[in-house]
Amino acid sequence: EMQLVESGGGLVQPGESLRLSCEASGFTFSSYWMTWVRQAPGKGLEWVAKIKQDGSEKDYVESVKGRFTISRDNAKDSLYLHMNSLRVEDTAVYYCATFHSYDRCFDIWGRGTLVTVSP
Amino acid sequence: DIQMTQSPSSLSAYVGDRVTITCRASQTIDTFLNWYQHKPGNAPRVLIYRTSRLQEGVPSRFTASGSGTEFALTITSLKSEDSASYFCQQSDSTSLTFGQGTKVEVK
Repeated sequence: EMQLVESGGGLVQPGESLRLSCEASGFTFSSYWMTWVRQAPGKGLEWVAKIKQDGSEKDYVESVKGRFTISRDNAKDSLYLHMNSLRVEDTAVYYCATFHSYDRCFDIWGRGTLVTVSP
Repeated sequence: DIQMTQSPSSLSAYVGDRVTITCRASQTIDTFLNWYQHKPGNAPRVLIYRTSRLQEGVPSRFTASGSGTEFALTITSLKSEDSASYFCQQSDSTSLTFGQGTKVEVK
């Protein structure tokens, strides 16, 4: 079974940092672009970041540029999101997802991990 | 960024009804328009990719079409398990964007 499992969420104060992890199983992780997508409470889905199969290309939504860093370790079938200078508006459930490079859709998703940023 | 506007934001319908959700892009996009289903506490699930291609394992009552800036997802005969939120998403630009979602309630 193809699976993604996120971890690392929690409650932090504004300005603090957090690292999310996503572990893949059941498919060839190194063959996929990987992404993070978030959903704030009561809001829709928002793409956050993506990284190429070999890590050579990365891209971010404007609101997290300079604060968040996406990375991956193909030897560990793992994806990461390093989040610095967290803001209240970063509060969301964070999902990792594969991004099919040919069909350009998010085709395998995890169940998410909740990040709460509150004073 | 390309803005995606869905309508309606919510709808309520009966089992067996035909329902349609529309998605409008702020500029013309190619065929890279996808639809997702999301139930609370679950992982989102891709239903349709590239405007009209049904993802493997998705029931055939889900159909979709569109071009240019106007796209639509139709559930031809609603079932109780279709209660969920539905999102469109464009991959025409490198900045990937979603619609705000449509919550479907099955009476």
